[in-house]
Amino acid sequence: EAQVTQNPRYLITVTGKKLTVTCSQNMNHEYMSWYRQDPGLGLRQIYYSMNVEVTDKGDVPEGYKVSRKEKRNFPLILESPSPNQTSLYFCASCVGRVGGFGELFFGEGSRLTVL
Amino acid sequence: RKEVEQDPGPFNVPEGATVAFNCTYSNSASQSFFWYRQDCRKEPKLLMSVYSSGNEDGRFTAQLNRASQYISLLIRDSKLSDSATYLCVVNIGDSNYQLIWGAGTKLIIKP
Repeated sequence: EAQVTQNPRYLITVTGKKLTVTCSQNMNHEYMSWYRQDPGLGLRQIYYSMNVEVTDKGDVPEGYKVSRKEKRNFPLILESPSPNQTSLYFCASCVGRVGGFGELFFGEGSRLTVL
Repeated sequence: RKEVEQDPGPFNVPEGATVAFNCTYSNSASQSFFWYRQDCRKEPKLLMSVYSSGNEDGRFTAQLNRASQYISLLIRDSKLSDSATYLCVVNIGDSNYQLIWGAGTKLIIKP
């Protein structure tokens, strides 16, 4: 089954404790992206990757890191989480033709609470 | 002013009724437009793209008005299963990383 898998789905942590949210897709998609969703706001892009070893900042990259060592994986790293990073996080992937647009496929989301 | 604005609702609509909602965008250079559907506590899923000439997919019709900078979504003969939040998405460039998302319109279909 074609899917984007995120883990963990739910996490409560404390300020400053490093955490990683994993994302994996099995569709051989080139493009992957991380979003956060907060009440009253649209999805905001954190980082995206057009291909292996290529990553770029989105609209709200502060406090986050990513890596793309393999095509299928795109982990999101919070080195020192703070309460303002409490949010619902989505990973998404797409065929990602350069210069084109395709349907985004989302993971089920990871709800993160930072105390 | 937000780049993409939607009425947050909720729109409470009886089953079988027709409902329409709009989404306005501020960037006149926007190139492509989409509606995504998001069920409660779930991930967004593509509902339909919006083409310049308007397009229809079953009970759903999407329209684009470039002059007034808005897109619309019309749902006919609404079903209970249509209850969801509808997200408007605007692409201000020609690649995926230039998507701007609206905050969504919540639709509740009542029996």
